[in-house]
Amino acid sequence: QSALTQPASVSGSPGQSITISCTGTSSDVGTYNFVSWYQQRPGKAPKLMIYEGSKRPSGVSNRFSGSKSGNTASLTISGLQAEDEADYFCCSFAGSNTVVFGGGTKLTVL
Amino acid sequence: EVQLLESGGGLVQPGGSLRLSCAASGFTFSSYAMSWVRQAPGKGLEWVSVIGGDSVTTFYANSVKGRFIISRDNSKNTLYLQMNSLRVDDTAVFYCVKTIWSASYRFDPWGQGTLVTVSS
Repeated sequence: QSALTQPASVSGSPGQSITISCTGTSSDVGTYNFVSWYQQRPGKAPKLMIYEGSKRPSGVSNRFSGSKSGNTASLTISGLQAEDEADYFCCSFAGSNTVVFGGGTKLTVL
Repeated sequence: EVQLLESGGGLVQPGGSLRLSCAASGFTFSSYAMSWVRQAPGKGLEWVSVIGGDSVTTFYANSVKGRFIISRDNSKNTLYLQMNSLRVDDTAVFYCVKTIWSASYRFDPWGQGTLVTVSS
């Protein structure tokens, strides 16, 4: 159960788009369409932003979108806003009734 | 509105035990799987365990298998995590999370967490 690989940090200016990658293996991201993304603001609990790779829960802005190519999933945030500054974690089903999270990416809005 | 309120965290010595609780409200508790996910200070998230709505199925991360036991009492809308043989690297905030397991593997929403510190 090795953690998924995410960049430690990304940054962007208001109004820009950024993409956070989440690289796994053929045992998790590459095989299953069960990637989810979570936003965690400082001192707060994580919040579900994307599930099953590209689906948005009710109430999540359509500025957030998810995709996958091979063993890498991606979260894209368009029209970056100051309130998007947070840590983002990906998660994937890894078979054998386990899931694995990524190490997290700190998004800074410049 | 779904509410999840964890309790039971605190300071415990290595080798000791602790039981966490999570009081749930705002949804039909028995109809949903529930999970524990932890976060070491300044670190990422780590899935710990999940239990089905009827308690028949339970799964654990390798890191806690044989030491932690997840359970629930649907009559009290409460989730538990019995933690035994605690180690220093178990120090973390433990989150209780409503879970859609086999159909989606998603965690939503999360409680505010309870801090477990393992130290001598």
